[in-house]
Amino acid sequence: NAGVTQTPKFQVLKTGQSMTLQCAQDMNHEYMSWYRQDPGMGLRLIHYSVGAGITDQGEVPNGYNVSRSTTEDFPLRLLSAAPSQTSVYFCASRDGGQTGELFFGEGSRLTVL
Amino acid sequence: GESVGLHLPTLSVQEGDNSIINCAYSNSASDYFIWYKQESGKGPQFIIDIRSNMDKRQGQRVTVLLNKTVKHLSLQIAATQPGDSAVYFCAESSSYKLIFGSGTRLLVRP
Repeated sequence: NAGVTQTPKFQVLKTGQSMTLQCAQDMNHEYMSWYRQDPGMGLRLIHYSVGAGITDQGEVPNGYNVSRSTTEDFPLRLLSAAPSQTSVYFCASRDGGQTGELFFGEGSRLTVL
Repeated sequence: GESVGLHLPTLSVQEGDNSIINCAYSNSASDYFIWYKQESGKGPQFIIDIRSNMDKRQGQRVTVLLNKTVKHLSLQIAATQPGDSAVYFCAESSSYKLIFGSGTRLLVRP
């Protein structure tokens, strides 16, 4: 059972470039979310989704887009990367509802030059 | 590993002692709370959770205490082991948003 899989694990971008961080889960979880983690700041919620076709904003959504066309996939798009988006990004999922264990991927480290 | 948590508060304990990690949460409407453990270079791992209608919940070697009056959460680890060394985060949930605190680094001295 793969759990939550994130790709790529590492990426370097130039300012203004676009890219998509991929996230897939094989646990048939309804809920998926993206967090970013900066040194000393814990994890901050970017976007989340409670099911296919439904997305909503978290704490720090600006500069990021998401979509949820299938239950399994929840890609995070950076349309025009900025140095302030240099961070480690984590995707997470859990079964339906408002509680329960959130399963995290291993993270994607993004550097924007 | 990732260079996260460089400026986190640190708790240093002797192996075998009990550890207490504290967390203040901000939203009085939060109805569900979770503790996560994060080791270097890895994603957070679930430790224990508690709903707002409870004051205490116990797991294997871990206990979570919730004081809603002062919006305080604590994680107690009994007989701390070297493998417990990590960064610990509390998280609060209201509706579908799970919001994390800034974390505490636990160092276990041999």
